[in-house]
Amino acid sequence: EAGVTQFPSHSVIEKGQTVTLRCDPISGHDNLYWYRRVMGKEIKFLLHFVKESKQDESGMPNNRFLAERTGGTYSTLKVQPAELEDSGVYFCASTGGGGNTEAFFGQGTRLTVV
Amino acid sequence: DQQVKQNSPSLSVQEGRISILNCDYTNSMFDYFLWYKKYPAEGPTFLISISSIKDKNEDGRFTVFLNKSAKHLSLHIVPSQPGDSAVYFCAAIYFGNEKLTFGTGTRLTIIP
Repeated sequence: EAGVTQFPSHSVIEKGQTVTLRCDPISGHDNLYWYRRVMGKEIKFLLHFVKESKQDESGMPNNRFLAERTGGTYSTLKVQPAELEDSGVYFCASTGGGGNTEAFFGQGTRLTVV
Repeated sequence: DQQVKQNSPSLSVQEGRISILNCDYTNSMFDYFLWYKKYPAEGPTFLISISSIKDKNEDGRFTVFLNKSAKHLSLHIVPSQPGDSAVYFCAAIYFGNEKLTFGTGTRLTIIP
């Protein structure tokens, strides 16, 4: 069974540009989460999808970040326009729900804004 | 306001000895705690968890202890092996709020 996959693994963009990160959760997992880790700090929650609906987006930093999950399968996280402080590793995770709290994480996308 | 804290950024332990990683939390609503292990360039992988109704959970070489009154949990690895070298994250969650709240991580290095 394929795990959570993220694309790209690494992205370097200039300040002001747009970047779109993609996450493919484990097949059948209704719950999809985005997290971010900034340079040696804790992994912070960004948002939570249940199927195609945003359940909780309280961790989204600002309106430059837009997450979508059309059809309840894969999700994208777009940053537009990117700022220097957006640099970090963006992790996606999925769970099957029903009390399963052990989230499965993707390998992360390392975003560097220069 | 950091609700989950790992005050030791790094820890070095001799191979074969016990590794003890500590975690403190401030939110008394947390009722489920998890440890994740992370290798470089990989995502965190689930290691072991404990419910707040228990004070100990064991899985092979890994044991997690929970002290609710002190809002403290610890992960014991015994015996430590070189493959245990990684960053360990403590995380917490509570019923009705499914997002994980992570600590900053502890880098464990096992010395052969």
